Amino acid sequence: DQQVKQNSPSLSVQEGRISILNCDYTNSMFDYFLWYKKYPAEGPTFLISISSIKDKNEDGRFTVFLNKSAKHLSLHIVPSQPGDSAVYFCAASSYNQGGKLIFGQGTELSVKP
Amino acid sequence: NAGVTQTPKFQVLKTGQSMTLQCAQDMNHNSMYWYRQDPGMGLRLIYYSASEGTTDKGEVPNGYNVSRLNKREFSLRLESAAPSQTSVYFCASRRTSGTQETQYFGPGTRLLVL
Repeated sequence: DQQVKQNSPSLSVQEGRISILNCDYTNSMFDYFLWYKKYPAEGPTFLISISSIKDKNEDGRFTVFLNKSAKHLSLHIVPSQPGDSAVYFCAASSYNQGGKLIFGQGTELSVKP
Repeated sequence: NAGVTQTPKFQVLKTGQSMTLQCAQDMNHNSMYWYRQDPGMGLRLIYYSASEGTTDKGEVPNGYNVSRLNKREFSLRLESAAPSQTSVYFCASRRTSGTQETQYFGPGTRLLVL
């Protein structure tokens, strides 16, 4: 059973516009959420995270929103740039589970000039 | 500061052969992890080590063994490779700072089992 789901395999956005990537989870014990970015033939790189005690975290062009009642989080990228084209993974963990991450399937973002 | 390094980058095995994937981190992190990534799927945890001297199973441990050689190194061993183990393998180490945590990943090992 997939505990973390990214239902959109791909997303195409025009440069300068907003990219919104979505992620749903089923396990209410998750209390920490992360977004990773992955280029082909490279390992995932950490982008931004949010604790379950918050509903928003911002870092430059990247903002993560958490809606605990809906078990939903989203990553907003504004403005989108061609260099943002990559696969984005959301991941979830519980503090008392040794840092084990449960990943979604990923969303491939394509930002067109 | 190299972060997380993995060797080899790419490997081809025949069914039944064995091999060890090596991972090392120079960030003095206590916890280390092995994941695999298959097409259309996210990363799945194989094994992890919360600290030197301890290891635990993740979601998909069957067919694998691990060794936490010291604080820096965490190896993954396939005793008898199967085509189902064709995948990209990522090692990671974890940094915690207060209530924040991050896992840093290596560049991956691409494994093809024929």
